[in-house]
Amino acid sequence: GENVEQHPSTLSVQEGDSAVIKCTYSDSASNYFPWYKQELGKRPQLIIDIRSNVGEKKDQRIAVTLNKTAKHFSLHITETQPEDSAVYFCAASVSFNKFYFGSGTKLNVKP
Amino acid sequence: DAGVTQSPTHLIKTRGQQVTLRCSPKSGHDTVSWYQQALGQGPQFIFQYYEEEERQRGNFPDRFSGHQFPNYSSELNVNALLLGDSALYLCASSLASTTGNTIYFGEGSWLTVV
Repeated sequence: GENVEQHPSTLSVQEGDSAVIKCTYSDSASNYFPWYKQELGKRPQLIIDIRSNVGEKKDQRIAVTLNKTAKHFSLHITETQPEDSAVYFCAASVSFNKFYFGSGTKLNVKP
Repeated sequence: DAGVTQSPTHLIKTRGQQVTLRCSPKSGHDTVSWYQQALGQGPQFIFQYYEEEERQRGNFPDRFSGHQFPNYSSELNVNALLLGDSALYLCASSLASTTGNTIYFGEGSWLTVV
């Protein structure tokens, strides 16, 4: 089955700096890659996603890039704010909405 | 427009007992997936229900079973509970599709096995 690896496990940045989280996947058939933000004790919430026919997608301060050849995708957050502090999960979907999640990145934005 | 709702929110069970968790999908969604999220880890796929049948299953033992009702709501049953079953159980709903579709999570059910 699919294997998704996520790095780093923890990331600490100063407010206003950029944060980058990287994920790799193993199954070249994966075609949909969402990113979720999970605050303590809350549900994972979708923040951005990208499909395999697109190389980059941006939504205000958040962007995702996908390199299908290398089988990796990344989340970029610019101008970080304290409210961006949370755990971020990447995921990959092969078919029928079955998702494989990374192990998570705990982002801490220091004011 | 109601989102994904789950019940109960929290529960404590004893080893060997059985538990049933419930989920109502987002309005208009017909597919329900269940995930287990252990503390400090990413969600792991348990199984998925569509048209009242289990369509896909992850690497979970037969102690984990489920059901989907005609109104698309779903139940997750876990028998012979083990301490390692303690986790957040997340229900996710989506529309059936052969290509990737967005899934929406409920708030989850926190299960503690003692």
